[in-house]
Amino acid sequence: DAGITQSPRYKITETGRQVTLMCHQTWSHSYMFWYRQDLGHGLRLIYYSAAADITDKGEVSDGYVVSRSKTENFPLTLESATRSQTSVYFCASSPDRVSASNQPQHFGDGTRLSIL
Amino acid sequence: GDSVTQMEGPVTLSEEAFLTINCTYTATGYPSLFWYVQYPGEGLQLLLKATKADDKGSNKGFEATYRKETTSFHLEKGSVQVSDSAVYFCALSDSDYKLSFGAGTTVTVRA
Repeated sequence: DAGITQSPRYKITETGRQVTLMCHQTWSHSYMFWYRQDLGHGLRLIYYSAAADITDKGEVSDGYVVSRSKTENFPLTLESATRSQTSVYFCASSPDRVSASNQPQHFGDGTRLSIL
Repeated sequence: GDSVTQMEGPVTLSEEAFLTINCTYTATGYPSLFWYVQYPGEGLQLLLKATKADDKGSNKGFEATYRKETTSFHLEKGSVQVSDSAVYFCALSDSDYKLSFGAGTTVTVRA
């Protein structure tokens, strides 16, 4: 089915471990985004990508790494997980300029990550 | 930088009550404004948007008007239902691709 898919939906890991969250979209959207959602903070941008092989930092990028070798995939890696990275992570995609689109960003259902 | 401030929750209402969620923003340019809704266990969905001053966005009985003079984009619904229980996020975009979100307001509607 067309859409944006995140995996896994739930993940528990330990501090110091490396963990990768996957995001896959079937629309061939140019832009992709990673957010984290924490109580009292709303959604904060971690990284975004304007196209394959083009990525840039958001406001909370420390401790995270991304790659985008293919347009449809945008994995997020926590290189050495810390407890402060316990959160719900959302991936989103956008086909075009935010103001010109009827649905500026399409969101996945999220990954709930717990770091013990 | 750009920022969005929305009223803190949680908000608890009875069915058929009137709902208002306040949202104000700070931006250097002329942003587009959005309301997103998040139902339990799901990602965010666009509820409505407005791209210029005095525009009114509307969807599913919800409305919000872009007020440049008060830098506000308050969300309203005249008669809520239990199915409107969700977290509501106000957001702005002052560029072509990045969104800045408010903290979210949890709304619970009781039968």
